[in-house]
Amino acid sequence: SQKIEQNSEALNIQEGKTATLTCNYTNYSPAYLQWYRQDPGRGPVFLLLIRENEKEKRKERLKVTFDTTLKQSLFHITASQPADSATYLCALLHMNYGGSQGNLIFGKGTKLSVKP
Amino acid sequence: DSGVTQTPKHLITATGQRVTLRCSPRSGDLSVYWYQQSLDQGLQFLIQYYNGEERAKGNILERFSAQQFPDLHSELNLSSLELGDSALYFCASSVEAGGMLTDTQYFGPGTRLTVL
Repeated sequence: SQKIEQNSEALNIQEGKTATLTCNYTNYSPAYLQWYRQDPGRGPVFLLLIRENEKEKRKERLKVTFDTTLKQSLFHITASQPADSATYLCALLHMNYGGSQGNLIFGKGTKLSVKP
Repeated sequence: DSGVTQTPKHLITATGQRVTLRCSPRSGDLSVYWYQQSLDQGLQFLIQYYNGEERAKGNILERFSAQQFPDLHSELNLSSLELGDSALYFCASSVEAGGMLTDTQYFGPGTRLTVL
């Protein structure tokens, strides 16, 4: 069956450290993968998109890698700050049969807590 | 602020009832997406409309329906409500369907539905 899983429900780290979140998928061949941030009671906010032919993408303190052989994406936040505390969701594009339409499949998220 | 608006913010109703959730996309966005988020299921794609027409369908129940109007706002109708329908319902919008290959979705603040 098709699954998208994020490594843990919660991750606690110390301020200044690098947070690494994992997203694994099975039985999908996504054209791209996205990462979102979601704060309690609010809608997800888009952070980064990485395509299947890209190994790595960076944006300020954020870095995403995409390994289609391992079927895994890693999301890194360097020099983490308490303001980075939130739930982070990965999402992949799932194309329907025939490849004409698609929709995003989301993982359940990892709740990151950065302690001062 | 994503530019996507949703009303109402909260909705409390009884089992068996029918409700309508409303979404206004960002100015210029033609695609509207509906998602359901519950604690156990995570964020689930329901349905997408592009310029008034249904574009893609996810795990949407037959009791649920949606439409997109000429002014591009969208409504999600939920009928014969059950306790299990209690969830956060998000609307998102994007510029175009475009195969969704590079589409960023902008999420609204959500409607919290409680079925008693």
